[in-house]
Amino acid sequence: KAGVTQTPRYLIKTRGQQVTLSCSPISGHRSVSWYQQTPGQGLQFLFEYFSETQRNKGNFPGRFSGRQFSNSRSEMNVSTLELGDSALYLCASSPQGAQGEQYFGPGTRLTVT
Amino acid sequence: GNSVTQMEGPVTLSEEAFLTINCTYTATGYPSLFWYVQYPGEGLQLLLKATKADDKGSNKGFEATYRKETTSFHLEKGSVQVSDSAVYFCALRRGSGATNKLIFGTGTLLAVQP
Repeated sequence: KAGVTQTPRYLIKTRGQQVTLSCSPISGHRSVSWYQQTPGQGLQFLFEYFSETQRNKGNFPGRFSGRQFSNSRSEMNVSTLELGDSALYLCASSPQGAQGEQYFGPGTRLTVT
Repeated sequence: GNSVTQMEGPVTLSEEAFLTINCTYTATGYPSLFWYVQYPGEGLQLLLKATKADDKGSNKGFEATYRKETTSFHLEKGSVQVSDSAVYFCALRRGSGATNKLIFGTGTLLAVQP
């Protein structure tokens, strides 16, 4: 079974632009979560989706948004990029709606210049 | 709120040395506890888990025991290899509720020298 895939793997944007990252969960997984990883803040939770509904949201500004489609694929969007948004964005999927194990993708490395 | 505290790194060991990475947590109720490993340029891989007090998670020679009395979940391995060099994250998940959300510690870099 294929793992979690994230596209693109690397991305360079300039301040003020917006970006969309994509995540395809493991087949059959309906729960998708996003995390931001930076050297200074470590791993921080962004959002959690289940069956196209956002269940939880982390403490990030409104510039960060996401959605989940009926095939469980998920996208996250960051508008008006800032230098501090440079990070590795990780997506994880779970076979269970709650209390399940999370399987992580390789991440998208976003660099904002 | 819920949080995880991990020992600072980097931890540098010689091959075949004994490894301990300390992890303590603060949580209400009965969280599930995890250790994840991240190799350079990759995402996180689940190493082991424990879902209730006194459970021992184990995988690939690594072990950790869920100690509720000391709110700890320390990672141990009896004999490390160069291939174990990676960043190790301790994490917790709330023990109830409709969520898979993980709360992570800051990570500990392990460097094993031949």
